[in-house]
Amino acid sequence: DAGVIQSPRHEVTEMGQEVTLRCKPISGHNSLFWYRQTMMRGLELLIYFNNNVPIDDSGMPEDRFSAKMPNASFSTLKIQPSEPRDSAVYFCASSSTPKPYEQYFGPGTRLTVT
Amino acid sequence: DAKTTQPPSMDCAEGRAANLPCNHSTISGNEYVYWYRQIHSQGPQYIIHGLKNNETNEMASLIITEDRKSSTLILPHATLRDTAVYYCIVHSGNTGKLIFGQGTTLQVKP
Repeated sequence: DAGVIQSPRHEVTEMGQEVTLRCKPISGHNSLFWYRQTMMRGLELLIYFNNNVPIDDSGMPEDRFSAKMPNASFSTLKIQPSEPRDSAVYFCASSSTPKPYEQYFGPGTRLTVT
Repeated sequence: DAKTTQPPSMDCAEGRAANLPCNHSTISGNEYVYWYRQIHSQGPQYIIHGLKNNETNEMASLIITEDRKSSTLILPHATLRDTAVYYCIVHSGNTGKLIFGQGTTLQVKP
């Protein structure tokens, strides 16, 4: 099995630019999670989807962040406009009912906003 | 979800058992204890979980005290590849909304 796939692995952009992070969950998994990790704040859950529907987006920092899941095999996390404080590693994870707690994480995208 | 308390760091000699403690004194009756680990530069990895009975799998053992206020993750024969941050999480299990704390950084030394 391929595991969770994220792209790009590294992204460097200038402040004010739009950034799109992509995730392909494990085939057959029906839950998808976006996390952000920084040294200061640790690993934070931003949003999660169940059966392609956003269930909880209370962790999304502000309106500059948006996430979509148009189908079961693809999700995006968009930041527009990006700011230096958005620099972090963004992880995508997936899981399947009845084990939503057993999440499989992707390799992450390291985002640097200058 | 109940709050957990873990020591920030621990050392272990290679080949010895690593015992990682976690306090969760406010755990509710329907909440499970989950353990994940994160090896440097990788995404977290699920290890094991339990409710009140001790659990064992190919990766580790989980010992939960009778009052469920604390637990210990045991890696029976630690290797250098077990060097990682270990997270103890308490959650009801009905959703995937896991709250990761700061965890314990385990350093396995030769």
